[in-house]
Amino acid sequence: GAGVSQSPSNKVTEKGKDVELRCDPISGHTALYWYRQSLGQGLEFLIYFQGNSAPDKSGLPSDRFSAERTGGSVSTLTIQRTQQEDSAVYLCASSLAGGSSYNEQFFGPGTRLTVL
Amino acid sequence: AQSVAQPEDQVNVAEGNPLTVKCTYSVSGNPYLFWYVQYPNRGLQFLLKYITGDNLVKGSYGFEAEFNKSQTSFHLKKPSALVSDSALYFCAVRGDSSYKLSFGSGTRLLVRP
Repeated sequence: GAGVSQSPSNKVTEKGKDVELRCDPISGHTALYWYRQSLGQGLEFLIYFQGNSAPDKSGLPSDRFSAERTGGSVSTLTIQRTQQEDSAVYLCASSLAGGSSYNEQFFGPGTRLTVL
Repeated sequence: AQSVAQPEDQVNVAEGNPLTVKCTYSVSGNPYLFWYVQYPNRGLQFLLKYITGDNLVKGSYGFEAEFNKSQTSFHLKKPSALVSDSALYFCAVRGDSSYKLSFGSGTRLLVRP
């Protein structure tokens, strides 16, 4: 079946603009994660959705970042008033279940965001 | 708190030689350990995981990893490296009561012909 898809694959924006990044998880996966991968850095956890539960937003770096997941499927990560330090690859992942399960996460190809 | 250390930024091996990519971890409770590989301009691909049971875990593309509880390590290995194995490798851990994965900083593997 189809894997995790993300769009756009690349986004170039000007400082101060808002951007929306989209993630389509694998069908049937109830858990969805967003990560940020900056140049030369590992993966930084941003936010976690599990079913209809309240999301864990503890990794969001500032209040300019927000995310939602509609209908338990597609997710959108929104960055308002982008800054140059927001430039990174944003990765989305999904898994069969979150919580304390041991299911591996499946990653999308990422969206490379460049803020000029 | 949970964390992963990958002490080598880069590992260089000749094709056909065995390879090892090191990973040590710190976690509360029982660890769930994962290895992922990332090719240029691609997302992460799952290689293998340790949950419980046999300490030697076999995964995709001929890779395997050995869980060592006393040394809190989960090194990735392959008996005979291929040039196509050249990529960025990430080790990750989570505790058995947590959903958050903590990733290491990654190790770049370069296999020369």
